[in-house]
Amino acid sequence: SQKIEQNSEALNIQEGKTATLTCNYTNYSPAYLQWYRQDPGRGPVFLLLIRENEKEKRKERLKVTFDTTLKQSLFHITASQPADSATYLCALSNNAGNMLTFGGGTRLMVKP
Amino acid sequence: NAGVTQTPKFRILKIGQSMTLQCTQDMNHNYMYWYRQDPGMGLKLIYYSVGAGITDKGEVPNGYNVSRSTTEDFPLRLELAAPSQTSVYFCASSYRGQNYEQYFGPGTRLTVT
Repeated sequence: SQKIEQNSEALNIQEGKTATLTCNYTNYSPAYLQWYRQDPGRGPVFLLLIRENEKEKRKERLKVTFDTTLKQSLFHITASQPADSATYLCALSNNAGNMLTFGGGTRLMVKP
Repeated sequence: NAGVTQTPKFRILKIGQSMTLQCTQDMNHNYMYWYRQDPGMGLKLIYYSVGAGITDKGEVPNGYNVSRSTTEDFPLRLELAAPSQTSVYFCASSYRGQNYEQYFGPGTRLTVT
């Protein structure tokens, strides 16, 4: 069955450092991969979408990579700030349907 | 634009009761979705709709029903509530399908006791 894995343990980093979050998948051939941010008690907010034929995508301090050979996406936040503290969810979809499948999320804590 | 709105924010149900979670979007999006999120877990798709009058099952549809009579509204009905349905429910919408970003509502926290 399809499986999407994100590190369930919280990632703690110092302000100003680069945070790197991982999303691995198995038994899946996604055409699109999305990253969302979720703050406590709120709904997820879209950050970035990357297509299977794109290796990398950037938006301000955010960078996403998508390696279909390794079946992995990396999500980077450069010059991290305490305001970046949140849970980050990856979500995959393919061309066959209309659904996104979400990973369990990784909680990021940026300490001043 | 209000985006995606959900009511109620919180609800406690007794086992066997029924209720409807309301969801409305004002972005004229074709696609709408219902997810549930259990503590520390990701989102699981319950039902989705690609347009008015069209609905389809997601990953965990048992115990739920939906309807889509207008573009704006996508209510989720719980019949015979069970403790396993205790969760946070999110409604979302998108312009088209899986290659478009989804906009989420603030969620409804439901407890079944």
